[in-house]
Order: sequence, then structure tokens, then C-alpha cells
Amino acid sequence: EVQLVESGGGLIQPGGSLRLSCAASGFTVSSNYMSWVRQAPGKGLEWVSIIYSGGNTYYADSVRGRFTISRDNSKNTLYLQMNSLRVEDTAVYYCVGRTPYWGQGTLVTVSS
Amino acid sequence: DIVLTQTPLSLSVTPGQPASISCKSSQSLLHSDGKTYLFWYLQKPGQSPQLLIYEVSSRFSGVPDRFSGSGSGTDFTLNISRVEADDVGVYYCMQTIRYQTFGQGTKLEIK
Repeated sequence: EVQLVESGGGLIQPGGSLRLSCAASGFTVSSNYMSWVRQAPGKGLEWVSIIYSGGNTYYADSVRGRFTISRDNSKNTLYLQMNSLRVEDTAVYYCVGRTPYWGQGTLVTVSS
Repeated sequence: DIVLTQTPLSLSVTPGQPASISCKSSQSLLHSDGKTYLFWYLQKPGQSPQLLIYEVSSRFSGVPDRFSGSGSGTDFTLNISRVEADDVGVYYCMQTIRYQTFGQGTKLEIK
């Protein structure tokens, strides 16, 4: 059974940094494309970033230059380093394995 | 960037009746490998999205055959042949031909 478990969310002040983690089981992070998708309170789904099996990474315009996606193959874990956080980054962040596999989400709240 | 436009944005359906959601893409989702990378999800209240349909018309494992997808190129449709109470939630289309983008979502409620 595939499981993706996110962690690292929380309350952070504007301008701060957080690192989200997504631990995978039953699924090999390095062999598949992985993405982060977020959902602001009461809003729809927004793609944030993707890393392909070959290592290429891409970002939504809203986070490019502030967020970095990466993975640790030895830990079978995906990461999202989020810097210079803004109030508008407040959302539930989901880790997604290819298309079928989603984590339960971790809430990031950016507020003073 | 590829923009996906869903219509309608909300649906109210009597149990047992059909429902249909449209998703139009600003660019063709047909890849050179012959596959079309259009997916449908349902996000039930308080849950993560769950995959219903992949590559336009293939049902994901465990998805009832009441759900079907169709379309090509830039125009796609999700059909539910007979809506049940368990189908409530928000339906999203998503493309993966160029990174990922989602439609705005269509909220389905039961009359």
C-alpha cells in the first residue's frame, strides 16, 4: 500500500522559513515524478512545484525563487523548502506521487 | 501556462440523475507519445483529492463504472451516469502535459 505522510507545517511569521517533508512508503520517490500542491482555505487546488525522476525541477510563478523542491533518495522522502513566506502562502500543502497518490496534507499558516 | 476552465462551477443533482462536467484546456493535452494527459479528481469534504479518471477515459482502481470520461485535444467531459449521495464534493480536472495545472473545481451537491 502506498503511503505519503507530510510533516513540517505550522504557524510562521511573514518572511520566515519552513521545510516540509513527505515520507513515502510503498512507492519509490526517485523513480517517479513528485509534486507539491496547495489549497488555501476555502479555495481550489494550486500546483506549486514538481521534481521529475531525472531531477529536473519546476515551480509555479507564485513561488519561484522562494521555494525549493528536493528529495533524499536514501530516505525515500520529498521536501519543500519555503523561504520568504507570505500571508498568501497560507494553505494545506499536499505531497503528490505521480497522479494517484496524495498525502493527507500539512497546514502552513503565515501570520503575524 | 496551460489554463483549464471547468463548467459549471456548481451542480445540484437529484440522486439517480446524471451529471456532467466540462473541462476546456487552453492548449492541446495530446502528447507526442499518443497519450492525452487529462485527469479527473474528486475531493470529498475534509479529505485529500482522490483520482477518478486518468488519461481522459481510464477509470482508476476501485472507481465505480458510473463515472466515465471522454474528450480529446482541448475539450473533455466527466460524466456520472447516476449520482449517489456519496458523490458530493468538488471535482477537479488536471493536466500533466506541462507541469501540472488544475481547473477551478466544480462543487456537486445533492438536491
